[in-house]
Amino acid sequence: DAGVIQSPRHEVTEMGQEVTLRCKPISGHDYLFWYRQTMMRGLELLIYFNNNVPIDDSGMPEDRFSAKMPNASFSTLKIQPSEPRDSAVYFCASSFVVSDTQYFGPGTRLTVL
Amino acid sequence: GDSVTQMEGPVTLSEEAFLTINCTYTATGYPSLFWYVQYPGEGLQLLLKATKADDKGSNKGFEATYRKETTSFHLEKGSVQVSDSAVYFCALSDLAQGAQKLVFGQGTRLTINP
Repeated sequence: DAGVIQSPRHEVTEMGQEVTLRCKPISGHDYLFWYRQTMMRGLELLIYFNNNVPIDDSGMPEDRFSAKMPNASFSTLKIQPSEPRDSAVYFCASSFVVSDTQYFGPGTRLTVL
Repeated sequence: GDSVTQMEGPVTLSEEAFLTINCTYTATGYPSLFWYVQYPGEGLQLLLKATKADDKGSNKGFEATYRKETTSFHLEKGSVQVSDSAVYFCALSDLAQGAQKLVFGQGTRLTINP
């Protein structure tokens, strides 16, 4: 299996622009997680899905952030409009069942100028 | 709420030294405990886990024992290598709080010098 795939790997954009991050989970996994990693705040869970349905989005920082999972093999995390404080590495992870091992993608490094 | 506390880094050791990275947790239920490792430029990957008290997780020469009495899950390795240089994260999932939420410690950066 190719593992969790994320794109792009690096994104540089200007403040106010829309940013879309993409994730393809491991085939057959029914949970998908979006995390954000910064030096100041460490790893934060933003939102997770079960069978394409959002279960908990309490970690989404504000309304500028939105996430979708239109099917079992694709999810997006969108930031609109982006701000410099959104600069971070965003990870997607997937797992088979609750409490099982989460498999992480390589991350997208986002820089908002 | 649940939380994980790791020893602060960075930690720098010489090759073949003994490694301990401390991890303690707070949880209301009976959590599963994990160590994840993040190599430079990569995502996190599971290093080892333990699902109940007194369980020992082990992988690649690393070990950690689930100690309920001390609420700890310290990571150890008898002889580290340069290739072990990475950031190590302790984490828990708690069925009582919704196990799907992995709660991570702040991470400990480890550098091994040849």
